[in-house]
Amino acid sequence: GAGVSQSPSNKVTEKGKDVELRCDPISGHTALYWYRQSLGQGLEFLIYFQGNSAPDKSGLPSDRFSAERTGGSVSTLTIQRTQQEDSAVYLCASSLRTGEMNEQYFGPGTRLTVT
Amino acid sequence: AQSVAQPEDQVNVAEGNPLTVKCTYSVSGNPYLFWYVQYPNRGLQFLLKYITGDNLVKGSYGFEAEFNKSQTSFHLKKPSALVSDSALYFCAVRDKRGAGNMLTFGGGTRLMVKP
Repeated sequence: GAGVSQSPSNKVTEKGKDVELRCDPISGHTALYWYRQSLGQGLEFLIYFQGNSAPDKSGLPSDRFSAERTGGSVSTLTIQRTQQEDSAVYLCASSLRTGEMNEQYFGPGTRLTVT
Repeated sequence: AQSVAQPEDQVNVAEGNPLTVKCTYSVSGNPYLFWYVQYPNRGLQFLLKYITGDNLVKGSYGFEAEFNKSQTSFHLKKPSALVSDSALYFCAVRDKRGAGNMLTFGGGTRLMVKP
């Protein structure tokens, strides 16, 4: 497709379950970013990939969060043993490269609700 | 640390009137600043960016922003507001951690344009 796509669009899960969120970046974009948008914390950076490599994982809120990217394209964000405070909209963005001249293009997000 | 502040949670303006959405920043070195807009249940859409050059930056949908170094501000403006401009607006600054160029966002300002 022309833009960044994310799936699922909505996910409701029970506390303690694992969830996987998927991001499909714009074709040819080498940089991929994950952000989280929640009422209490606003928009916060989680992790980025340059190709398949994630040089900076400092934004991940806990060791229950992990992410991978394969083939320089699709990325998955995995949250293990979900907690209620994980409820948020998870946004993915991509850009041509990580340079500051390159604006990021965002997907529609995955709304995660942990009950 | 890089940061941006959006002092107004909400801005109300009548259709046809000029609008301003405020943003101030705190960075070390040269700032790289962005504005994004978020419509309901949609991802963030890029509006404009300031990297270097002219202080008045023109962007999408008739929006512009004025970079003011002495006031450390990057206010978003539009000469004549439309009802369809009603949305959530985010100011962002490039985060200089590592080479990822991830974004640090302000808290967002909800713009309400009334007919």
